[in-house]
Amino acid sequence: GAVVSQHPSWVICKSGTSVKIECRSLDFQATTMFWYRQFPKQSLMLMATSNEGSKATYEQGVEKDKFLINHASLTLSTLTVTSAHPEDSSFYICSATMGIRGEKLFFGSGTQLSVL
Amino acid sequence: GESVGLHLPTLSVQEGDNSIINCAYSNSASDYFIWYKQESGKGPQFIIDIRSNMDKRQGQRVTVLLNKTVKHLSLQIAATQPGDSAVYFCAESTGNQFYFGTGTSLTVIP
Repeated sequence: GAVVSQHPSWVICKSGTSVKIECRSLDFQATTMFWYRQFPKQSLMLMATSNEGSKATYEQGVEKDKFLINHASLTLSTLTVTSAHPEDSSFYICSATMGIRGEKLFFGSGTQLSVL
Repeated sequence: GESVGLHLPTLSVQEGDNSIINCAYSNSASDYFIWYKQESGKGPQFIIDIRSNMDKRQGQRVTVLLNKTVKHLSLQIAATQPGDSAVYFCAESTGNQFYFGTGTSLTVIP
């Protein structure tokens, strides 16, 4: 299957700092990338949908200024958690679609963010 | 895609038994379905997919069944092994949007 690389896999930061998470499709061009948040023992919560070269579409309740998404190319999307606080601690996952109709959704390995 | 953060149902099976994990989807227009496996601390891993013009598809030790009449999807794992312990969830798609089920936590008892 296709490979989606997510980096870093784990980050610990002080409250008030910003953290950038990268999501790369390594062997295909992703028409769309998605960002999710996941709490322990819970399912994925979609945060935003990102298309290359355009502004991300955020889900209701997700702060655009808090979670900045940049999709500069067909193989790279970044999520920046600005001025992180302990309540932002979570597992963040990206996914990318390939194919003509954007099918074949593949996930990154996730990033565990711990804000102290 | 939409998803809802809910606590997961659980399923426990004996090693060697077959497992069946079920998923109900909501959109009758969905024409593409995927099953994922997620181990603790890792991103979801693609297992198998099926299009709406099929009702069954088999992979290695896994079979996906699709019943469009009742909008039901199931994943069958043959001869379940300890390494199969994980959370499994389904996804439905109408194109570029993906909608996820809540997931089922599978525990394999040695």
